[in-house]
Amino acid sequence: EVQLVESGGGLVKPGGSLRLSCAASGFTFDDYAMHWVRQTPGKGLEWVSSISWNSNKIGYADSVKGRVTISRDNAKNSLYLQLNSLRAEDMALYYCAKDIGGTAAGTSHFDNWGQGTLVTVSS
Amino acid sequence: SYVLTQPPSVSVAPGETARISCGGDNIGSKSVHWYQQKPGQAPVLVIYYDRDRPSGIPERFSGSNSGNTATLTISRVEAGDEADYYCQVWDRSSDSYVFGTGTKVTVL
Repeated sequence: EVQLVESGGGLVKPGGSLRLSCAASGFTFDDYAMHWVRQTPGKGLEWVSSISWNSNKIGYADSVKGRVTISRDNAKNSLYLQLNSLRAEDMALYYCAKDIGGTAAGTSHFDNWGQGTLVTVSS
Repeated sequence: SYVLTQPPSVSVAPGETARISCGGDNIGSKSVHWYQQKPGQAPVLVIYYDRDRPSGIPERFSGSNSGNTATLTISRVEAGDEADYYCQVWDRSSDSYVFGTGTKVTVL
């Protein structure tokens, strides 16, 4: 059974930083691209970032570009998201999601999701 | 950037058919995927590549895509289908993944 468990969320002041983690199990982690998707409380879904199986292809939403870094450690079956210069509009539930393939391509979609970790930005 | 527009809400009686639209410029040329999200839960993939169903998703869920509109159809609606539904595509021009605005399905 695929399991994705996010951690690292919390309360941070505007301008602060956080590192989110996603521990994966139940599948061959280094065969698949991975994504971060966020959801503002009571609002819709927003794709944040993606990384291919070998970290060669990385993408970011315009809303976070330059402030966010995605990475993965295939030896540890883990995905990460470094959030810097956090703003009020970054406050959301951050989901880790598994791609159906390895390269985060145009046909990509998300066949498994974690339960999310909440990032709160407030002074 | 590419925009996907969904109706905010759809109401349907049990046993009837719910149709949820997802509008986008020439969306028929893209692959559309659909997710169901129940309150307090993570999204679940219910349709991929316009019309394919993952294992475990009832045949009552179906999809279509043509022109400027993709549609998720839920036949013989049950109380357990009450949820938010989101469409999703990949936008080549921005190399990003785009979600629709979401539709809340209420079973009367």
